Amino acid sequence: GQNIDQPTEMTATEGAIVQINCTYQTSGFNGLFWYQQHAGEAPTFLSYNVLDGLEEKGRFSSFLSRSKGYSYLLLKELQMKDSASYLCAVGYNTDKLIFGTGTRLQVFP
Amino acid sequence: DGGITQSPKYLFRKEGQNVTLSCEQNLNHDAMYWYRQDPGQGLRLIYYSQIVNDFQKGDIAEGYSVSREKKESFPLTVTSAQKNPTAFYLCASRLTGDDGYTFGSGTRLTVV
Repeated sequence: GQNIDQPTEMTATEGAIVQINCTYQTSGFNGLFWYQQHAGEAPTFLSYNVLDGLEEKGRFSSFLSRSKGYSYLLLKELQMKDSASYLCAVGYNTDKLIFGTGTRLQVFP
Repeated sequence: DGGITQSPKYLFRKEGQNVTLSCEQNLNHDAMYWYRQDPGQGLRLIYYSQIVNDFQKGDIAEGYSVSREKKESFPLTVTSAQKNPTAFYLCASRLTGDDGYTFGSGTRLTVV
């Protein structure tokens, strides 16, 4: 079956670095996505990894290891506005996406 | 500007009534999806459609129905058969072969 695990909650301090981990088990893997979701709002796309390695986009980076079924999202120079839920999602089969339960990140001054 | 529009943002219905949630996109995306989000749970796939006049059940399709008569529109009907309909409903679309899914702003349905 399909399964994604990520921590439920994390806290960090403004200006710090935080790493949110995600492990997954799926068949027909065709990419891993990270989304940011503020409370009551739609998820917004952050990153997409289909090959092993690190993808960097400004303050955000995402890493993938397909052999380990593992990804992480790295957020640098944390800002208060980064307080949100971060959703790990895996594409599988031809065109389906399964989501983890999300990691709620709280950034404190 | 292109995007996905979901309406209404908040919806209240009495138990036993059917209700239809609207989802319209002007991105010329081929595929459209409906997800349900409950507190403490990830988004769960209800239905999806990859082309006009065709759609497939997702993981939790029972009690829901959809149609895809136009490329731009993918309405979701929550029927009285859905045992626990109160939730946040998200519509998404994707251009086939592209990386990203674009989400609408969601409809929060409350059944009383």
